[in-house]
Amino acid sequence: DGGITQSPKYLFRKEGQNVTLSCEQNLNHDAMYWYRQDPGQGLRLIYYSQIVNDFQKGDIAEGYSVSREKKESFPLTVTSAQKNPTAFYLCASTTGRNSYEQYFGPGTRLTVT
Amino acid sequence: QKEVEQNSGPLSVPEGAIASLNCTYSDRGSQSFFWYRQYSGKSPELIMFIYSNGDKEDGRFTAQLNKASQYVSLLIRDSQPSDSATYLCAVRGSAGYSTLTFGKGTMLLVSP
Repeated sequence: DGGITQSPKYLFRKEGQNVTLSCEQNLNHDAMYWYRQDPGQGLRLIYYSQIVNDFQKGDIAEGYSVSREKKESFPLTVTSAQKNPTAFYLCASTTGRNSYEQYFGPGTRLTVT
Repeated sequence: QKEVEQNSGPLSVPEGAIASLNCTYSDRGSQSFFWYRQYSGKSPELIMFIYSNGDKEDGRFTAQLNKASQYVSLLIRDSQPSDSATYLCAVRGSAGYSTLTFGKGTMLLVSP
């Protein structure tokens, strides 16, 4: 089955710890995205990548980092510098070739206490 | 600053009625428009996209785009309780390769 997977589904961390969220896709999509969603809010873009070994900051990149070493994978690290890391994190992808429909993974709910 | 505005709702309709969800956007040059459905606790699911002025129909869903008025809507015919969800409007801007800007969503409640 083709799709986007995110792991884990739920993640709990102590304040001051870095944590890495996984996103993998087997859709052969070029572009991948990370969003966060807070209760009652829309999706806000953290980082995106159009091709391997290249990525750009979104609207709220501070306190986050990413890598894109493989086409299939786009992990997101939430660093201790992120002031309010508790949120629902969503990964999405699109073919990126004149196609802009983004498809989402199931999400990771991160709680930092 | 690109903005996408939606009424937060909830929009309540009886089963079998037509639900009308609306979205306005600020970037006049926006090219592509998307509707996502998001059930509580789940990730968004793409249900419709529209690139040209006019109507686009897919089953019980119709997307309507009016670029002159900077307005896009989603009509759901014969609404079912299973349609109860939050509907997110997303817009791709005008500047070359562009990311999507999402509205905060409208909650739809369909009562049996």
